[in-house]
Amino acid sequence: GENVEQHPSTLSVQEGDSAVIKCTYSDSASNYFPWYKQELGKGPQLIIDIRSNVGEKKDQRIAVTLNKTAKHFSLHITETQPEDSAVYFCAALRTFGNEKLTFGTGTRLTIIP
Amino acid sequence: NAGVTQTPKFRVLKTGQSMTLLCAQDMNHEYMYWYRQDPGMGLRLIHYSVGEGTTAKGEVPDGYNVSRLKKQNFLLGLESAAPSQTSVYFCASTPDGIGQPQHFGDGTRLSIL
Repeated sequence: GENVEQHPSTLSVQEGDSAVIKCTYSDSASNYFPWYKQELGKGPQLIIDIRSNVGEKKDQRIAVTLNKTAKHFSLHITETQPEDSAVYFCAALRTFGNEKLTFGTGTRLTIIP
Repeated sequence: NAGVTQTPKFRVLKTGQSMTLLCAQDMNHEYMYWYRQDPGMGLRLIHYSVGEGTTAKGEVPDGYNVSRLKKQNFLLGLESAAPSQTSVYFCASTPDGIGQPQHFGDGTRLSIL
């Protein structure tokens, strides 16, 4: 089955600097890759997603890149702000045969003022 | 518009007790999901439903049952709680497919003593 590895597990970044979180997946049939942000005491919230027919997608300070050959995708946050502090989860969806969404284990991002 | 609402928010049970977690959504979504979140393990799918009256097993269904009698509600039951079921439980919904942004509730923190 699909295996999604997420790195790093914790990341501390100075306010204003950039943060990068990387995920690798094992199933080449996966074709949808969302990123979720989870604040303390809240449920995860989608911040950006990408499908396998696109290499990069950007939304203001957040961008996601996808390398299908290497089977990895990354979340990039630029000009980080204190409100970016949260746990971030990647996920990969396999739609061939049994649909299955597999989540990574999460990255705790701390923005240092 | 509340989105996805989970009740209760916290609960402590003794081993062997039973309980039901309630999830309600007001977005007229067809698909609903129950996940558990454990430290270092990301989100794992317990059961899901693709419409009123339907249920299906996810990745970790053992020890849980679900029902979807009304489109807006998805119930998760523990018949005989075990300490291994101590976790944070999240409900989510999507309009009509797994490959769509998931709308999560804020979770139920369940402790089994």
